Amino acid sequence: AQKITQTQPGMFVQEKEAVTLDCTYDTSDQSYGLFWYKQPSSGEMIFLIYQGSYDEQNATEGRYSLNFQKARKSANLVISASQLGDSAMYFCAMREGMDSSYKLIFGSGTRLLVRP
Amino acid sequence: DADVTQTPRNRITKTGKRIMLECSQTKGHDRMYWYRQDPGLGLRLIYYSFDVKDINKGEISDGYSVSRQAQAKFSLSLESAIPNQTALYFCATMGFRDQQETQYFGPGTRLLVL
Repeated sequence: AQKITQTQPGMFVQEKEAVTLDCTYDTSDQSYGLFWYKQPSSGEMIFLIYQGSYDEQNATEGRYSLNFQKARKSANLVISASQLGDSAMYFCAMREGMDSSYKLIFGSGTRLLVRP
Repeated sequence: DADVTQTPRNRITKTGKRIMLECSQTKGHDRMYWYRQDPGLGLRLIYYSFDVKDINKGEISDGYSVSRQAQAKFSLSLESAIPNQTALYFCATMGFRDQQETQYFGPGTRLLVL
């Protein structure tokens, strides 16, 4: 079974509107971390936001927020007021358990295109 | 200057050749990682290291080897390159920012094996 599932291969959003990118995860651990990364066409991986499994509040970083629903095992990324520069691939990733290796497991990504 | 650098940024090689991808970091992090990314897929872990004496296999280590020459340097080698190793390779370090764990990625190396 996939550990990280991103069911939207591609998404469109109108500039200045909000968009939600879905991510569901599968783990039996109580302690884990969830990450979102942005990969523009240039290829680099840019860290956006992190949510710890014990964090009671949803993480926010500027226009990015993470809608963390622990019971549903979902960690959706919300981008508010989309900008043309938000067009990119977005990856959800998970660090399982208290394993000190801090390895990340990545989803297959969602390609977001912001329309002017 | 970038915190995590990778050389070369692009490489074309032939089947059977040995090549090395290098990674350096200035963040002082102990944990370093090598991932590969194939089109339409997320990143998959090849090897990771906690320090110069600790090397661990990841999900897809076959056909690869690594060397942790120093805390700041972590190299990935393809002993005998094959076409299905054509991919985008990322080096990363793990650290904490504002008490949050974060992996910092290098810019990537695009490898084409003919």
